[in-house]
Formats: sequence, structure tokens, C-alpha cells
Amino acid sequence: EVQLVESGGGLVQPGWALSLSCAASGFTFSSYSMSWVRQAPGKGLEWVAEISGSGGSTDYADSVKGRFTISRDNSKNTLYLQMNSLRAEDTAVYYCATVVGGYFNYWGQGTLVTVSS
Amino acid sequence: DIQMTQSPSSVSASVGDRVTITCRASQGISSWLAWYQQKPGKAPKLLIYAASSLQSGVPSRFSGSGSGTDFTLTISSLQPEDFATYYCQQTNIFPRTFGQGTKVEIK
Repeated sequence: EVQLVESGGGLVQPGWALSLSCAASGFTFSSYSMSWVRQAPGKGLEWVAEISGSGGSTDYADSVKGRFTISRDNSKNTLYLQMNSLRAEDTAVYYCATVVGGYFNYWGQGTLVTVSS
Repeated sequence: DIQMTQSPSSVSASVGDRVTITCRASQGISSWLAWYQQKPGKAPKLLIYAASSLQSGVPSRFSGSGSGTDFTLTISSLQPEDFATYYCQQTNIFPRTFGQGTKVEIK
């Protein structure tokens, strides 16, 4: 059974940094691209970043480019999102998801990031 | 960026009704489209990919159609567990973009 478990969310002040993790199991992690997708409270879905199976290729939404870094450790079956210079508008539930053909076929349960002073 | 526009934003329907949600892309995306269902407090769930392919385990009352810029998600006979918010997503190019969502509510 595919499982994706996010962790690392919490309350941080504007300008601070936070790192999210997504532990994967039940599939061959290194064979799949992975993405982070977020959802602000009461709002729709927003794709944040994606990384190829090998980790050699990454893409970012313009809203986070230069502030967020997606990475993975295939030996640990774990996906990461390093978030720097956080803003109030980054407040959201962050989901990790497997990517197949550009769509997201498995999702984690999400972790809430709140940016507030 | 490719803009995805869903309509309606919300729909009230009864159990057994046929419900259709539309999604329009700002430029042609062939059949590179997916549909998701999201219930409150839960992660989205993939329903349809490649515009019309049903994800494994999804009931056959869900169907998708369209290509190019115009797409539809149809629920042939609405069930109580189908009351949720539905999103389309273009899977063609980066950045990956979603529609704003359509909330299916109980009438």
C-alpha cells in the first residue's frame, strides 16, 4: 500500500525558515517524480514544486522560486521542501504527491504551515 | 501559464441527479487533464486522468470527456458520498495549474 506521510509543519514568524519532509513507502520511490501541492485555508489547490525520480531535475511555481528548495533522498525514501523567507501568503496545508504523466495519483494527508507574527 | 477555469463554482443537486462540471483551458492541452475530488479536511483524490481514463477503484458513475480546451466531468447518478469539491488540473506543462474548484452541495 502506498503511503505518504508529511511532517515538519508548524507556526513560524514571517521571514523565518521551515523544512518539510514526506516519508514514502509501498512503492519504488526513486522511480517516481514527486511534487508538493499546497492549499491555503478555504482556498483551492496550488502546485508548488516538483522533482524528478533521480533528483536531477526540479521545477517551481513562480510564487516560491528562489525561496523554496525541493530535494529528495532516495536512500531514505524521503522528499523534502526547504522553505526560506516565509510570508503570510505561504500559510497553507502542504501535501506531497506522486507524479505520473503530470497528474498526482497518490497524496499524503498534509501538514499545516502557518506564517504569522 | 495555462489558466484553468471551472464552471459552475458551486452546484446544488440531489441524490440520483446527473451532474456536469466543465473546465476550460486558456490554451490547447490535448488530453492532458486530470480531475480530483476533495472532501473537507482530506487530501484530494485522483478520479480521472488523460481527460477520460478512470483511475483504478473509482466508481464508473464518474466519467470525463473533452480535448483541446474544453473538458467535462460527469457524475451520472449522484451518491451521498459524492458531495465534495472537484478540481481540474492541466498536466501538459509547467507550472502545473488547477481550476478554482466546483463545490457539489446537497439540495
